[in-house]
Amino acid sequence: QKEVEQDPGPLSVPEGAIVSLNCTYSNSAFQYFMWYRQYSRKGPELLMYTYSSGNKEDGRFTAQVDKSSKYISLFIRDSQPSDSATYLCAMSAGFANAGKSTFGDGTTLTVKP
Amino acid sequence: DSGVTQTPKHLITATGQRVTLRCSPRSGDLSVYWYQQSLDQGLQFLIQYYNGEERAKGNILERFSAQQFPDLHSELNLSSLELGDSALYFCASSVATGVQGYQETQYFGPGTRLLVL
Repeated sequence: QKEVEQDPGPLSVPEGAIVSLNCTYSNSAFQYFMWYRQYSRKGPELLMYTYSSGNKEDGRFTAQVDKSSKYISLFIRDSQPSDSATYLCAMSAGFANAGKSTFGDGTTLTVKP
Repeated sequence: DSGVTQTPKHLITATGQRVTLRCSPRSGDLSVYWYQQSLDQGLQFLIQYYNGEERAKGNILERFSAQQFPDLHSELNLSSLELGDSALYFCASSVATGVQGYQETQYFGPGTRLLVL
């Protein structure tokens, strides 16, 4: 079983929809939770970073972490065609694990105009 | 642009050959990570270097090796190449202060696309 499981998708939504992307994990040591966006097999780009449980909002993006359920989510409001990409969740135990991140396999999102 | 550079962008070679991928981290970043991304396996962590020394190792094959030089650039060497080594290879860098409680946010380069024929 993988340490990080990500909803595989693909996901196709109309422009303006609310998108929910999700990951579960098994390692209780994970404290740092990240979401990356990757366009067309280019380098992943950090979108959101959250420490421990709770919510974090940045514009149209909201990251949620529920450590008790070992579940994280990324919500995209008012989705745009430019949001079409692969979204990767990543998790880390931080300094205790040399800062190494474990990634999900990614969910490919298509937002149709 | 993340500030991380990787060369070459594309590499086509034959089975059994050896190649070297190069990465220059962002200015000031001491830590370099190497990842492999293939179509069927997602992003796999290979190895991390911090200020010239190996810090963490992932699923890196014995045929693969890496090093980080005094100027902090890093090279990933892949030898005895097999068809299954065809993938995108990403380098990422972070500040890596080594301070407990500080997450070392990673910035990714554009990747090297390797095709083994």
